[in-house]
Amino acid sequence: SQQGEEDPQALSIQEGENATMNCSYKTSINNLQWYRQNSGRGLVHLILIRSNEREKHSGRLRVTLDTSKKSSSLLITASRAADTASYFCATDLSGGSNYKLTFGKGTLLTVNP
Amino acid sequence: NAGVTQTPKFQVLKTGQSMTLQCAQDMNHEYMSWYRQDPGMGLRLIHYSVGAGITDQGEVPNGYNVSRSTTEDFPLRLLSAAPSQTSVYFCASSYLGPGGNTIYFGEGSWLTVV
Repeated sequence: SQQGEEDPQALSIQEGENATMNCSYKTSINNLQWYRQNSGRGLVHLILIRSNEREKHSGRLRVTLDTSKKSSSLLITASRAADTASYFCATDLSGGSNYKLTFGKGTLLTVNP
Repeated sequence: NAGVTQTPKFQVLKTGQSMTLQCAQDMNHEYMSWYRQDPGMGLRLIHYSVGAGITDQGEVPNGYNVSRSTTEDFPLRLLSAAPSQTSVYFCASSYLGPGGNTIYFGEGSWLTVV
């Protein structure tokens, strides 16, 4: 079964709007990461948030983590057409191998010009 | 740096054929892994290695073999291809830093088994 599940499965917005994607997970984690995948390409790491952190920023990205609810959100502000991609959360299980990440099924974001 | 390099990019196999997907990284990372990505399934871990000479099974290892003779290379072998192995395969490498394990992915190999 999937450790991480993104929501929604697909999101379509206009350029300039904000996009919010959510990730829920089932068991305790060491950290949670977000990756982007452009069509036909490999995944690219965006941001990592540790289990003892609540919020992290990187450019137009803001990630929050609520360990009590076992959930995380990725906010992309002032979206651009180039942000069109699939976004995946990945969890690093607490007590498990730090090398093994479990990925969700992804959110497909479409930013319309 | 080239990062993680996978070959071939595209491959069509007949059922029962064997082949090897090549993967090389030039970042001196200890950890390498193979994932497959199928529609609606996300990425699933096939095999991984925490260093030269050490490999282990992931979530979906059946039908695949790996070896890690050097730090740089981590080939994935399909001994007898089946249509269920039609997928996109991603090789990845990483190191365990103070913040956690950040993975660097290759560009993918599209495999079709007919």
